[in-house]
Amino acid sequence: AQSVTQPDIHITVSEGASLELRCNYSYGATPYLFWYVQSPGQGLQLLLKYFSGDTLVQGIKGFEAEFKRSQSSFNLRKPSVHWSDAAEYFCAVGAGQAGTALIFGKGTTLSVSS
Amino acid sequence: DTEVTQTPKHLVMGMTNKKSLKCEQHMGHRAMYWYKQKAKKPPELMFVYSYEKLSINESVPSRFSPECPNSSLLNLHLHALQPEDSALYLCASSQGDRRYGYTFGSGTRLTVV
Repeated sequence: AQSVTQPDIHITVSEGASLELRCNYSYGATPYLFWYVQSPGQGLQLLLKYFSGDTLVQGIKGFEAEFKRSQSSFNLRKPSVHWSDAAEYFCAVGAGQAGTALIFGKGTTLSVSS
Repeated sequence: DTEVTQTPKHLVMGMTNKKSLKCEQHMGHRAMYWYKQKAKKPPELMFVYSYEKLSINESVPSRFSPECPNSSLLNLHLHALQPEDSALYLCASSQGDRRYGYTFGSGTRLTVV
């Protein structure tokens, strides 16, 4: 069965430091992978997605992610974190046929210290 | 228009009330979704509509009743809810091809008293 694992429940990073959020997936075929961000009380905003091609994907707000098939990973990175990046981050895989829903990881809470 | 609009943003209802949540998109997306999200948890799928037909019902209690009047609108009718149904209810839409991702609304914060 398809699944997504985000090993880190909570991460604290100093402002200006680099960030890496981990995501591992389990899926039989080539997965369609997504990273979403959610600020408190808000909906989910798509940061970036991967479905084929270049394994390094650029997203909004300075985020990027790298797809590594050998490690079944799709880690999210940002070279310099801003206080406004504090939020909940969800990795998700699009499984099944078109029109079927996303499978989400449990999320990672990012705190940014000054 | 690249948004999914949900109304109301906040809703407080008693356990005997009937209320409805509304979701609207004008991106031409043909699949629409209802998710339920409890605090500090990922969204949980409730229903999927594909081409205005209910295609997935994730064993949701009958006190939640979805409706898709047309390709742009999705409603969630609520009746006789329980306090544990209090949550953020998110609507999403997609082009029907998962490559393009899913656009989420900002949600309705529901409190059942």
